[in-house]
Amino acid sequence: DTAVSQTPKYLVTQMGNDKSIKCEQNLGHDTMYWYKQDSKKFLKIMFSYNNKELIINETVPNRFSPKSPDKAHLNLHINSLELGDSAVYFCASSPLRTGEGGELFFGEGSRLTVL
Amino acid sequence: AQSVTQPDIHITVSEGASLELRCNYSYGATPYLFWYVQSPGQGLQLLLKYFSGDTLVQGIKGFEAEFKRSQSSFNLRKPSVHWSDAAEYFCAVGAREKAAGNKLTFGGGTRVLVKP
Repeated sequence: DTAVSQTPKYLVTQMGNDKSIKCEQNLGHDTMYWYKQDSKKFLKIMFSYNNKELIINETVPNRFSPKSPDKAHLNLHINSLELGDSAVYFCASSPLRTGEGGELFFGEGSRLTVL
Repeated sequence: AQSVTQPDIHITVSEGASLELRCNYSYGATPYLFWYVQSPGQGLQLLLKYFSGDTLVQGIKGFEAEFKRSQSSFNLRKPSVHWSDAAEYFCAVGAREKAAGNKLTFGGGTRVLVKP
């Protein structure tokens, strides 16, 4: 069983399109995240949800909208895709609540290519 | 806000040789510290973590890291590298304040190449 699973693993699309990436964790964790890894491998947090509540929203264009229907799922929807959105997007989860620290468990990533 | 610097972008090491990856952080107090490894096309796997206590921590795959408060460092070491250790390694810092939301801030990564 994959602990943190993301779909799709690869996504190729045209500029201007809207796309979604789904994430599910079966670890029973309360906190989930989206990270973006650019072409230089730099990892930057985008969003964090704790039990369906948004707790971190970094400076991300509002074309990116996370949605958490329940604490096991955190989806990422991107509107009006731009070339600069091409990256690998990682979902992660953590067993601990805000401020308690703790390791993150990562999915395998979703590689988005915008043409 | 916390930050992490990994000074070495690439390191090439011979199989069987020792490996040390450097990590320096900036944070006002003692942070949570992590090392993750990313193999090509894969997600990130935790190697080890430091929360408190013994400053020398042991991890998986024969890795260890030492927290040095005076140097704001958390360097990763392995005595004898195997070809399967070729990967990208990331150091990360987590803040202890609740307002930080338990986010991890990552360094830029160090790519390790292993020569036969």
